[in-house]
Amino acid sequence: DQQVKQNSPSLSVQEGRISILNCDYTNSMFDYFLWYKKYPAEGPTFLISISSIKDKNEDGRFTVFLNKSAKHLSLHIVPSQPGDSAVYFCAASFGGGYQKVTFGIGTKLQVIP
Amino acid sequence: GAVVSQHPSRVICKSGTSVKIECRSLDFQATTMFWYRQFPKQSLMLMATSNEGSKATYEQGVEKDKFLINHASLTLSTLTVTSAHPEDSSFYICSARGPGQGSYEQYFGPGTRLTVT
Repeated sequence: DQQVKQNSPSLSVQEGRISILNCDYTNSMFDYFLWYKKYPAEGPTFLISISSIKDKNEDGRFTVFLNKSAKHLSLHIVPSQPGDSAVYFCAASFGGGYQKVTFGIGTKLQVIP
Repeated sequence: GAVVSQHPSRVICKSGTSVKIECRSLDFQATTMFWYRQFPKQSLMLMATSNEGSKATYEQGVEKDKFLINHASLTLSTLTVTSAHPEDSSFYICSARGPGQGSYEQYFGPGTRLTVT
């Protein structure tokens, strides 16, 4: 049973445009959500997170939106840059982020120059 | 950010043999380390959590006698796949975090590709 779902395996976006990566979750006990970015031959690196008490968190070009009623979150990258091309993992945790992390399958983003 | 290394990056072994994978935190003390496995077209699945000096806590369905985890120091954890079989072929990745750190402060190694022939 996949508790964190990323239904789009890949996404292509023109440089300068907005990239929107989506994620759905099924476990209503999750209270902390994270996005990781992964380049080839490297481990995932933390990008941005959001607590369930918020509906939006912004960090530079990256914004994460959380819709708890829909059990849905999204990552917006504006403007997209070629260096953003990577696999993005959505993840969720309990206990304010101090418990184990459950990952989605990942979405491969390609930003076309 | 903090650096976590894994060794080896790739390993091929014969069925029935054992393989050891090392995970090291290079510039911080990792009181907790995590071992994940990723099969093709699937997500990273947590196998076990280990705290320095304690026995590892395994996730449901993970055989603790097959996947031996040792976290003997604050900078090193090892995963030994014993009596490996072709179905153990997978991508194994570790992560580490320091004391009192949350999920976002979990730093990942680059992973190890295990192929069992």
